[in-house]
Amino acid sequence: EAQVTQNPRYLITVTGKKLTVTCSQNMNHEYMSWYRQDPGLGLRQIYYSMNVEVTDKGDVPEGYKVSRKEKRNFPLILESPSPNQTSLYFCASSRAASSSLPPYNEQFFGPGTRLTVL
Amino acid sequence: AQSVAQPEDQVNVAEGNPLTVKCTYSVSGNPYLFWYVQYPNRGLQFLLKYITGDNLVKGSYGFEAEFNKSQTSFHLKKPSALVSDSALYFCAVRDHMNSGYSTLTFGKGTMLLVSP
Repeated sequence: EAQVTQNPRYLITVTGKKLTVTCSQNMNHEYMSWYRQDPGLGLRQIYYSMNVEVTDKGDVPEGYKVSRKEKRNFPLILESPSPNQTSLYFCASSRAASSSLPPYNEQFFGPGTRLTVL
Repeated sequence: AQSVAQPEDQVNVAEGNPLTVKCTYSVSGNPYLFWYVQYPNRGLQFLLKYITGDNLVKGSYGFEAEFNKSQTSFHLKKPSALVSDSALYFCAVRDHMNSGYSTLTFGKGTMLLVSP
């Protein structure tokens, strides 16, 4: 089954304790992305990756890191989490369009990770 | 900069009636437009997209959307609502003029409630 998986699904942690949320897709997609969803703000993009070893900042990258060492995995790293990073996080992937055009293929989303930072 | 507005936080409709969920956008070039749906405790699911061509786009579960360039709108519609359509709906836009892989900007979402 084609899918995007995230782990953990729920996480409660304390300020300053480093954590990693994993994301994996089995569709051989080039493009992967992380979003956070907050009430009244919709989804905001944190980071995205065009392919292995290629990442770029989205709209709200502060306090987050990512890596793309393998095509299927795109972990989100919070080096020193703070309470304002309490949110619902989604990973997504899609096929890439041609190199001369922005990607317009639909994204497949993971089930979400609910993070609470105390 | 690109942006999306969903002016209604919530839309209420009776089952069997037509529904419309509104979306307007702002981009510097031509837009790529998307609708996604989020059911409770689930990730977002793709409904439909407008890239180019026919202004009326048909998507999953009987939904359709009409691209209106002059009004910069991309409203989501369905002729006859079902209770199971109750969910959170997101409109999203990507600017065709941006080089490389630009970000996808989402609206704040509109909760659709269909009553029996």
